[in-house]
Amino acid sequence: GEDVEQSLFLSVREGDSSVINCTYTDSSSTYLYWYKQEPGAGLQLLTYIFSNMDMKQDQRLTVLLNKKDKHLSLRIADTQTGDSAIYFCAEQNQGGKLIFGQGTELSVKP
Amino acid sequence: DAMVIQNPRYQVTQFGKPVTLSCSQTLNHNVMYWYQQKSSQAPKLLFHYYDKDFNNEADTPDNFQSRRPNTSFCFLDIRSPGLGDAAMYLCATRDPGQGLSTEAFFGQGTRLTVV
Repeated sequence: GEDVEQSLFLSVREGDSSVINCTYTDSSSTYLYWYKQEPGAGLQLLTYIFSNMDMKQDQRLTVLLNKKDKHLSLRIADTQTGDSAIYFCAEQNQGGKLIFGQGTELSVKP
Repeated sequence: DAMVIQNPRYQVTQFGKPVTLSCSQTLNHNVMYWYQQKSSQAPKLLFHYYDKDFNNEADTPDNFQSRRPNTSFCFLDIRSPGLGDAAMYLCATRDPGQGLSTEAFFGQGTRLTVV
C-alpha cells in the first residue's frame, strides 16, 4: 500500500537549521514534494524532487532523497519565525495521485 | 494572481442541508482534484477529473459528489453534510502533459463548518 510518515512536531531556535524527515512506502513514486501550510491557509508548494535525483537545493531549502531507504528530508537553513507552519511531505504515484504525510508542525522560537 | 480559486473561503452549513463548494482555474489544466483535510490530518483525495472522466477514490462516501461542467470549473457537492464532514476542502489542478514538472497547484481551500 501507499503510506507516508512524518514526525509530528519540531521546535528550533531562530537562525538554526531545521531538518524535517519523511518516509514513504511506494517504490514507484515519480515525484516527491514538500508543501507548507500556514494556519487557515491552503497548501503552498515549496519544492519537489524527481525520484531519480538524490539532492536538490533551492536557496535556503535542501531536499535529500535516499531512494533505497525511501527517506526524504527537507533542510531549512537559517530558520526564521516566518517559517513556522506545518510542512507536508507528499509522494506522487504513477497515476498522478498525491499521498500526503500527516504533516510536521515546525515551531521557531526567537 | 490566483490561478486556482476556491469559493467561498469559509462556508457554514446546517446538518443535513446540501452544500456546494466551488473551484475555478485559469491554468487550463486537464486534471482537477478535490482533497478533504480534517483538523491535524493529512489531505485525503476524494476524487479527481481527468478532462471529463471522473475518478472516485474507493473510500469516498456516496455523500460526496462532483461536477465538472467545463475545463475551468469543478464543484464539490455534499448531499447531506454531517458533523464529521467539517473540514478544509482543497482543490488542485495539474497538467500531466507538462513533461518535466507535474506540479499540482492548490487553491486556498474552503473551510466547511457544519452546525
